[in-house]
Amino acid sequence: QLQLQESGPGLVKPSETLSLTCTVSGGSISSSSYYWGWIRQPPGKGLEWIGSIYYSGSTYYNPSLKSRVTISVDTSKNQFSLKLSSVTAADTAVYYCARLPVVVVAPHYYYMDVWGKGTTVTVSS
Amino acid sequence: EIVLTQSPATLSLSPGERATLSCRASQSVSSYLAWYQQKPGQAPRLLIYDASNRATGIPARFSGSGSGTDFTLTISSLEPEDFAVYYCQQRSNWPPEITFGPGTKVDIK
Repeated sequence: QLQLQESGPGLVKPSETLSLTCTVSGGSISSSSYYWGWIRQPPGKGLEWIGSIYYSGSTYYNPSLKSRVTISVDTSKNQFSLKLSSVTAADTAVYYCARLPVVVVAPHYYYMDVWGKGTTVTVSS
Repeated sequence: EIVLTQSPATLSLSPGERATLSCRASQSVSSYLAWYQQKPGQAPRLLIYDASNRATGIPARFSGSGSGTDFTLTISSLEPEDFAVYYCQQRSNWPPEITFGPGTKVDIK
């Protein structure tokens, strides 16, 4: 059974870079059938898609975060990662990683069928 | 950017009652509409994709309908474990982005 696990610092200082990793177990991140993505949820608020990546390295980002976001994949470790630069208190959230099945119509990703449990990141000095 | 609006914001019902949740898109999303359930302290769980297809393991009391701009999630008879927040989600072709609705909370009356 596929499982996703987020990891990384729970506390990040303002203006620094938030870095998280999602480890995939029970399946291969190199499968051509899936994209992989990051989603976040500020305390008491709704869900926000951050971006998605394919095992080949193709990425798509939320336009509102694009200037600060980098998502990368390491197929040798079966992991993908998120970097969010110049963070502020507004970036405080639970960060989830998820799997997105490939669909026929571009941009070829769509919904999230498997989610990690999430990790809380607080931005504070 | 396609904006999703969900109504009502809160739905207060009793176990056994029928729940009808609405999601409206600011422009057509065809059938690229998914629904998720989220309980406190948990990750969202996929319920419905392609507007009407139940995800693996989802009970038959959950059903989805609609296309274009208007969509509905129906829970035919609420079980105690169904009280949660429900989000709709779409993806657009261009820009290639995913957006979520603000959510509908189904709570116990």
